[in-house]
Amino acid sequence: GDSVTQMEGPVTLSEEAFLTINCTYTATGYPSLFWYVQYPGEGLQLLLKATKADDKGSNKGFEATYRKETTSFHLEKGSVQVSDSAVYFCALSDRGSQGNLIFGKGTKLSVKP
Amino acid sequence: DTAVSQTPKYLVTQMGNDKSIKCEQNLGHDTMYWYKQDSKKFLKIMFSYNNKELIINETVPNRFSPKSPDKAHLNLHINSLELGDSAVYFCASSQVGIGRPNEQFFGPGTRLTVL
Repeated sequence: GDSVTQMEGPVTLSEEAFLTINCTYTATGYPSLFWYVQYPGEGLQLLLKATKADDKGSNKGFEATYRKETTSFHLEKGSVQVSDSAVYFCALSDRGSQGNLIFGKGTKLSVKP
Repeated sequence: DTAVSQTPKYLVTQMGNDKSIKCEQNLGHDTMYWYKQDSKKFLKIMFSYNNKELIINETVPNRFSPKSPDKAHLNLHINSLELGDSAVYFCASSQVGIGRPNEQFFGPGTRLTVL
């Protein structure tokens, strides 16, 4: 079945460091890809998305490019802030019945001042 | 305006009890979902439901049952609660359609603690 694999955390960075969180997927067909963010004590918020190969999703300085050839959707940010500390989830939407989201295990990011 | 809301935010109860968690969405979406997030933050779909079809994850015990009084609500009923049911439960909604990316909107979660 479809699956998502993302890098294990936790990831600890200093403020203004460069961030990469790797995400690869296995899917039949052409899924849509998402990054969700969960701030402490809150629900999930959509961070960015991409619906087809070579699409780049971007939001709040974060970017991810849908790479079909490597089945990847890595999340990047050039300069992280303390307020970016959260758990980040990569997900795919299977285009079958009701398009359920399949999540990776989440990567906890801590940014130190 | 809260798009997807859940009540209660926290629920502490004894083993063996029956409890419900309510979810409402005001986005006009046609599909709603329940997810379980365990202590390691792993998220797993439990149910997805629209007015035509209920899809149940086969790993979900039949003590869990979704109830939808109308398109905007999907409540979660849990019978005979067990210690292992302790988790955070998230409701979500989306508008599903052919070619749509199925962007889901999540509620704030309900933290269930079974003693």
